[in-house]
Amino acid sequence: KQEVTQIPAALSVPEGENLVLNCSFTDSAIYNLQWFRQDPGKGLTSLLLIQSSQREQTSGRLNASLDKSSGRSTLYIAASQPGDSATYLCAVSGSGGSNYKLTFGKGTLLTVNP
Amino acid sequence: SQTIHQWPATLVQPVGSPLSLECTVEGTSNPNLYWYRQAAGRGLQLLFYSVGIGQISSEVPQNLSASRPQDRQFILSSKKLLLSDSGFYLCAWSGLSNEQFFGPGTRLTVL
Repeated sequence: KQEVTQIPAALSVPEGENLVLNCSFTDSAIYNLQWFRQDPGKGLTSLLLIQSSQREQTSGRLNASLDKSSGRSTLYIAASQPGDSATYLCAVSGSGGSNYKLTFGKGTLLTVNP
Repeated sequence: SQTIHQWPATLVQPVGSPLSLECTVEGTSNPNLYWYRQAAGRGLQLLFYSVGIGQISSEVPQNLSASRPQDRQFILSSKKLLLSDSGFYLCAWSGLSNEQFFGPGTRLTVL
């Protein structure tokens, strides 16, 4: 059974700092990995999708890497801003017939202080 | 561009009452559709998955059911709500890339 762990559970940083959020998964046979952002009381916003054959994806100040063999992904946020404050969720989809099914971590609550 | 709608946004229902939550997607055809529940202090749990009209897969046995009467409409139902059904219900869709996109969610409180 796939398990996804996100460390740290919470992180508080001053504005402008670069930061890294970590995600690990127990079964390396994944189809893809997706990073989401969730604001309080809101739905999830997709940030980045990394296919299993890829090593990284970039969007603006965000960069996500994937090391499938070691079961790890990192989300790098450059020059953090107060508007980045949210919960960040990592999710992996299974391979083969279960590639539709996302297994989520419990998230990292990020607070960026002005 | 694609958009996904859910309603109602919030709902307070007594135990034993029925439930109907609706999700619709615009701007895409033949999407895969999903219902998730996010309970306080827990991660997201996949409840149902659909690849087409009338095709529903249940991931977790429970007193909830799902239906897909039209290509871009997904409905979550219950005949009798339990206290444990309280939570934040999220609908999502995906296309060929398998990237999932989520709706704004429905906050359900069962009293």
